[in-house]
Amino acid sequence: DIQMTQSPSSLSASVGDRVTITCRASQAVSDYLAWYQQKPGKIPKLLIYGASTLQSGVPSRFSGSGSGTDFTLTISSLQPEDVATYYCQRYNSAPPTFGQGTKLEIK
Amino acid sequence: EVQLVESGGGLVQPGGSLRLSCAASGFTFSNYAMTWVRQAPGKGLDWVSVISGGGGITYYADSVKGRFTISRDKSKNTLYLQMSSLRVEDTALYYCGKHLGADIILPADFWGQGTLVTVSS
Repeated sequence: DIQMTQSPSSLSASVGDRVTITCRASQAVSDYLAWYQQKPGKIPKLLIYGASTLQSGVPSRFSGSGSGTDFTLTISSLQPEDVATYYCQRYNSAPPTFGQGTKLEIK
Repeated sequence: EVQLVESGGGLVQPGGSLRLSCAASGFTFSNYAMTWVRQAPGKGLDWVSVISGGGGITYYADSVKGRFTISRDKSKNTLYLQMSSLRVEDTALYYCGKHLGADIILPADFWGQGTLVTVSS
């Protein structure tokens, strides 16, 4: 199975900071890559799919890039409501594996 | 408004069985692939199974293959997960999710609130 590895596992940043989370696939997955946000005690929310397509209703400060094996989720200006754990998921074939998650906190 | 409501979770002994249900509304159920994902307490998301919109294609995680069966009933707009030979490590909050379309090669864009399965003696 294709493994997804996120880095860092956790990070702390200040409001207004630019934040970058990376996701690396053990084999190429083209652009079949999604990013989810899960706030504490809440259900996951789809942010980005197709590596860079913003899901409807998601703030434009979120963006995604990458193709093949290396992907990035960027928050251009961190807001307090962005505190959450972020997961990447590749979905080019079954099983559609998730990364282990990146926990984002406010400094 | 899209709604997914899971039910059927509970406490079961190792080796036991449970059937989870996910009642869907607010969209044309047969037009969308559906998935089950679980999350153990304090852990990350763990994909379990997926079924295509028409129901003819299913896949399972290796950890549940041969023990879990995913199915869907178009007439009831309901997704199911039949779980048998349950293990302690199956303890988790189980979410059902709706995909962006009928194809399984699409991500899930909406999730239910989850139903808790606890496997313990």
